[in-house]
Amino acid sequence: QSVLTQPPSASGTPGQRVSISCSGSSSNIGSNTVNWYQQLPGTAPKLLIYSNNQRPSGVPDRFSGSKSGTSASLAISGLQSEDEADYYCATWDDSLNGWVFGGGTRLTVL
Amino acid sequence: QLQLQESGPGLVKPSETLSLTCTVSGGSISSSSYYWGWIRQPPGKGLEWIGTIYYSGSTYYNPSLKSRVTISIDTSKNQFSLKLTSVTAADTAVYYCARVSYDSDGYYFIDYWGQGTLVTVSS
Repeated sequence: QSVLTQPPSASGTPGQRVSISCSGSSSNIGSNTVNWYQQLPGTAPKLLIYSNNQRPSGVPDRFSGSKSGTSASLAISGLQSEDEADYYCATWDDSLNGWVFGGGTRLTVL
Repeated sequence: QLQLQESGPGLVKPSETLSLTCTVSGGSISSSSYYWGWIRQPPGKGLEWIGTIYYSGSTYYNPSLKSRVTISIDTSKNQFSLKLTSVTAADTAVYYCARVSYDSDGYYFIDYWGQGTLVTVSS
């Protein structure tokens, strides 16, 4: 059981916009920033969004993040087949004094 | 370009100690700007943070693993290491080493990951 809650799956067709949610509590999302990772099959996670809504160099602006209260969201616009991957949210938890992750959302491009 | 590379045995017997090393290249592990950590992922499952270390040796461990985990750092070799004692089949996972950075407001994020190494616990 993950500390952060994500839907197990999401899907969309090419060109569509999809959103993935991440729900936490006051000790994690509510008091820290949220980061998002993309994990393609058989590879290590890759940083997609940090500090709620910042994109590292090289990440397309089709990817965007937001946070409100104890929830966060990752949006992908102009969906492409190569976006098919697992997506994880993560943040620091002040109560656990450590990193916590969501259970991951598998995105399927139909 | 920063690179992290995990190394260590891919097979460990139950009750024994899992030992992995992460070698960092393209950057100094002694930098005061970063922390270094271990994360694992059981086959077909999600990510679990194991622990984090600073160049000074300060450590933070996942409370659920704390009694069995030791993370150490060797700045002379630009490496940091993980030891997990009394392993069981539940410790079978891909183990990743990673770098932790922080933004201008002081919030942390994991920005670089190693490629990961599968460790199987089996007799």
